[in-house]
Amino acid sequence: NAGVTQTPKFQVLKTGQSMTLQCAQDMNHNSMYWYRQDPGMGLRLIYYSASEGTTDKGEVPNGYNVSRLNKREFSLRLESAAPSQTSVYFCASRGLATNSYEQYFGPGTRLTVT
Amino acid sequence: AQSVTQLGSHVSVSEGALVLLRCNYSSSVPPYLFWYVQYPNQGLQLLLKYTSAATLVKGINGFEAEFKKSETSFHLTKPSAHMSDAAEYFCAVSARYALNFGKGTSLLVTP
Repeated sequence: NAGVTQTPKFQVLKTGQSMTLQCAQDMNHNSMYWYRQDPGMGLRLIYYSASEGTTDKGEVPNGYNVSRLNKREFSLRLESAAPSQTSVYFCASRGLATNSYEQYFGPGTRLTVT
Repeated sequence: AQSVTQLGSHVSVSEGALVLLRCNYSSSVPPYLFWYVQYPNQGLQLLLKYTSAATLVKGINGFEAEFKKSETSFHLTKPSAHMSDAAEYFCAVSARYALNFGKGTSLLVTP
């Protein structure tokens, strides 16, 4: 199993450009998440999808949109990139079992906005 | 709201010495607690988790953590550090739909 995969691994954008980060999981998980990681800030939740067909804002949603395309895929879109969005973005997924809050993470996308 | 605080953004130990990384939690409900490790340029990998069964939890790579309700703590320990343990470590607590992470502790292991 590949687990959680993310594309691209690296990206450089100019201010105002748009792009979509892709995430897919092959573990038949119901919930998926997008986090950003910044030095000294830990991981902060951008958006999540508790199940197919639903999405909700997390702690830092401004400037982002998401799409839960199907059960496997959850994409993150930056409509007009800003330097403040320079970060490492992680996608994660979680199964449905009531005692299983653990999340499984992808390898990350390193985004630089100039 | 559920939150965790990691004490010490950087910890340095000698190879073979005890590793102790501190995490305190705040939760209005019985928490599920996690430790994740992140090696350079990689994603996060689950080290161990507490889900209200045993209070002493053993994880991968010789790490363990003890849930202490009276101290609201979930500190991570390893008896003897290896060079390969150098990484960033994150404590996390279960929230309603996601995990709330601490800011991380960078572990440096010196020869």
